[in-house]
Amino acid sequence: QAALTQPASVSGSPGQSIIISCTGSSNDVGGYNYVAWYQQHPGKSPKLIIYDVTNRPSGVSRRFSGSKSGNTASLTISGLRAEDEADYYCISFTSTETWLFGGGTKVTVL
Amino acid sequence: QVTLRESGPALVKHTQTLTLTCTFSGFSLSTSGMSVNWVRQPPGKALEWLALIDWNDKKKYSASLEARLTVSKDTSENQVVLTVTNMDPVDTATYYCGRMRFDTLDSWGQGFLVTVSS
Repeated sequence: QAALTQPASVSGSPGQSIIISCTGSSNDVGGYNYVAWYQQHPGKSPKLIIYDVTNRPSGVSRRFSGSKSGNTASLTISGLRAEDEADYYCISFTSTETWLFGGGTKVTVL
Repeated sequence: QVTLRESGPALVKHTQTLTLTCTFSGFSLSTSGMSVNWVRQPPGKALEWLALIDWNDKKKYSASLEARLTVSKDTSENQVVLTVTNMDPVDTATYYCGRMRFDTLDSWGQGFLVTVSS
């Protein structure tokens, strides 16, 4: 099963907002509200930043927000900061009761 | 506090079977809604979901690797074991285990690098 589609890279200046998309199908992203987003810094384990499409875990900055339209989920990072420079991954539940990651997006803060 | 730690051989040979153990604390795999998932990440590449085992002993596997994967649990020992048969150099990766509560993979181990020699 092919990975969910994410842009390979997104960049922005400090203070700006960026959006990372995660496109799948009706068998995964479009069919369920079980999409999560992870932030991964080099050499570190992934960190959960959004779950169930729009929910933020306790302790995660309000600058991170999630949404979904059709078969595409999106992660918005507002007020971009240097520490947001990392790789970001989406994951979705699928119709076969398995999980599928996106290909990952490298965020660069200019 | 939830913790997970992966362990196993750091180096395996082509065609051998890999056995990894996830030892966890801070939750019970007999609690409804809990599962332990395995994810891997080849060097410089993306995360790939591999398998899960839940509190009810339901097991799910990635379709692309299902024939080579087996997951099992020892609830009393708070351990989950993943076996991967017929290892190939392309299976070189950091392997993570993680706790999933219902539909959210919320806690991860530190990861364990496995290298496959040709």
